[in-house]
Amino acid sequence: GAVVSQHPSRVICKSGTSVKIECRSLDFQATTMFWYRQFPKQSLMLMATSNEGSKATYEQGVEKDKFLINHASLTLSTLTVTSAHPEDSSFYICSASEDLNTEAFFGQGTRLTVV
Amino acid sequence: SQKIEQNSEALNIQEGKTATLTCNYTNYSPAYLQWYRQDPGRGPVFLLLIRENEKEKRKERLKVTFDTTLKQSLFHITASQPADSATYLCALRNTGFQKLVFGTGTRLLVSP
Repeated sequence: GAVVSQHPSRVICKSGTSVKIECRSLDFQATTMFWYRQFPKQSLMLMATSNEGSKATYEQGVEKDKFLINHASLTLSTLTVTSAHPEDSSFYICSASEDLNTEAFFGQGTRLTVV
Repeated sequence: SQKIEQNSEALNIQEGKTATLTCNYTNYSPAYLQWYRQDPGRGPVFLLLIRENEKEKRKERLKVTFDTTLKQSLFHITASQPADSATYLCALRNTGFQKLVFGTGTRLLVSP
């Protein structure tokens, strides 16, 4: 099946710094990618839809200035958590599909810890 | 309001039995529904997709049904094994929308 690679898998950063997470579709082109956040023992909560070449669409309650998304190419989307705070500590996961009518493939996830 | 509900309590079964997980949705008109497996600290892994015009889909020991009248999907694992222990998530994409929305997930524990 298709592969989505997410990097880094773990990151620890100091409060106030920014962290960039990369999501790559390795063997297909993804016009659209999605970013999710998951708290312990909870389901995936969609944060934003990333569209190549245009601005991301954020879900209600997600601060676009806090979570910057860039989808500069058909194989790469990045999520930057700006001025991170301890409450931003979470598991962030990206996904992509070759076609919106088929299955989604997920990255390995990034465990962010802000200290 | 829109909801996708799965049994939040863990499902404990014995090895060899059939596990049945439920996904109910409210105020969605999905073109299809998907099931994923998630292990701790990992991203979800796709298992099966079933479209609105399909009643049942099978893949090896897995079977999914989709009842658009009841607004429900059932996910079955036959001859379950301890390695099947994981959290199982249902997800759907509302017709006309891009985003894939997930249910609450059900943890399955298969004991030897």
